[in-house]
Amino acid sequence: EVQLVESGGGSVQPGGTLRLSCAASGFTFSSYAMSWVRQAPGKGLEWVSGISGSAGSTYYADSVKGRFSISRENSKNTLYLQMNSLRADDTAVYYCAKDIILLVPSAMDYWGQGTLVTVSS
Amino acid sequence: DIQMTQSPSSLSASVGDRVTITCQASQDISNFLNWYQQKPGKAPKLLIYDASNLETGVPSRFSGSGSGTDFTFTISSLQPEDIATYYCQQYDNLPLTFGGGTKVEIK
Repeated sequence: EVQLVESGGGSVQPGGTLRLSCAASGFTFSSYAMSWVRQAPGKGLEWVSGISGSAGSTYYADSVKGRFSISRENSKNTLYLQMNSLRADDTAVYYCAKDIILLVPSAMDYWGQGTLVTVSS
Repeated sequence: DIQMTQSPSSLSASVGDRVTITCQASQDISNFLNWYQQKPGKAPKLLIYDASNLETGVPSRFSGSGSGTDFTFTISSLQPEDIATYYCQQYDNLPLTFGGGTKVEIK
């Protein structure tokens, strides 16, 4: 059974940093691209970042480019999102999601339960 | 970035009704279009990929069609468990972008 379990969310002041983790199990982690998708309270879905299965390629939404960094450790079946210079509009539930293919984010067939990030003074 | 425009933003229908949601892309995306269902407090679930392919285990009352810029998602006979918000999402170009969502309620 595929499982994705996010951790690392919490409350942080504007300008602060957080590192999210996503522990994956039940599939060959290195064979699939992975993404982070967020959802602000009461709002729709926003794709944040993605990474190829080999970690050779990374992709970002313009809203987080230069502030967030995605990475993965295939030996540990873990996906990360390093979030720096956090702003109030980064407040959201952050979901880790598995893609259906290896190289580029496309369709996400499994999702974690989400972890809440709150940026507030 | 490719903009995805969904309509309506919400709808109310009776059990057994046929429900249709449309999604329009700001440019030609071929068939690189997915549909997700999100129930309150839950993570999204992939229902349809490549515009018309039903994900494994998804009931056949769900279907999708379209190509280019105009796409349609249909529930042939609305069931109480279909109460959710539905999103389209394109993957022709990065960044991936979602439609604004359609909230489906029971009348």
